[in-house]
Amino acid sequence: DTGVSQDPRHKITKRGQNVTFRCDPISEHNRLYWYRQTLGQGPEFLTYFQNEAQLEKSRLLSDRFSAERPKGSFSTLEIQRTEQGDSAMYLCASREGGHNEQFFGPGTRLTVL
Amino acid sequence: GENVEQHPSTLSVQEGDSAVIKCTYSDSASNYFPWYKQELGKRPQLIIDIRSNVGEKKDQRIAVTLNKTAKHFSLHITETQPEDSAVYFCAASLRGGSARQLTFGSGTQLTVLP
Repeated sequence: DTGVSQDPRHKITKRGQNVTFRCDPISEHNRLYWYRQTLGQGPEFLTYFQNEAQLEKSRLLSDRFSAERPKGSFSTLEIQRTEQGDSAMYLCASREGGHNEQFFGPGTRLTVL
Repeated sequence: GENVEQHPSTLSVQEGDSAVIKCTYSDSASNYFPWYKQELGKRPQLIIDIRSNVGEKKDQRIAVTLNKTAKHFSLHITETQPEDSAVYFCAASLRGGSARQLTFGSGTQLTVLP
């Protein structure tokens, strides 16, 4: 499968625990996005990487959230001290420089108990 | 920032009829407008997009129209089929900068009745 992949697909955690998600973009795509989608809503932008540089962060991204893309390939999104309000689908997307289309991964569904 | 509103939130049509979903955006600097289809439990997938220098674009049974003056764009699906049933999201992307992050509407649940 040459599309965007995400791991894990599902994560159940207890409030206060830390979680980390991984995204592997399409190999030639140097732009990478994280979005969050809650039930019945469209995805909301969280953060953007161009290669290894994190160039944009939404105000939705509290200081409990951190994202990295250390070698400009895969990316990780960590949530510290999870809260019930963090329960959502976390989507990763990538695109090639000079092109508009963003390709989405299957998402990681987080449930915080 | 950009704000995208989408209507209706649910839409039921008979198989073979047409479906129209409408979106408005707030920032006149937006210049790229994709439509994504998301089936239950699946990833969003691009079905059609339009740039601000074009008023209409068509791909088989799907078309998108853009009115820059009014800041609204619409998705038209003709000859609907049961497999068109899904949630459809419109989005807008701001011109300038490298991010071009998408601001999405809240989605339309389309049900095509056989």
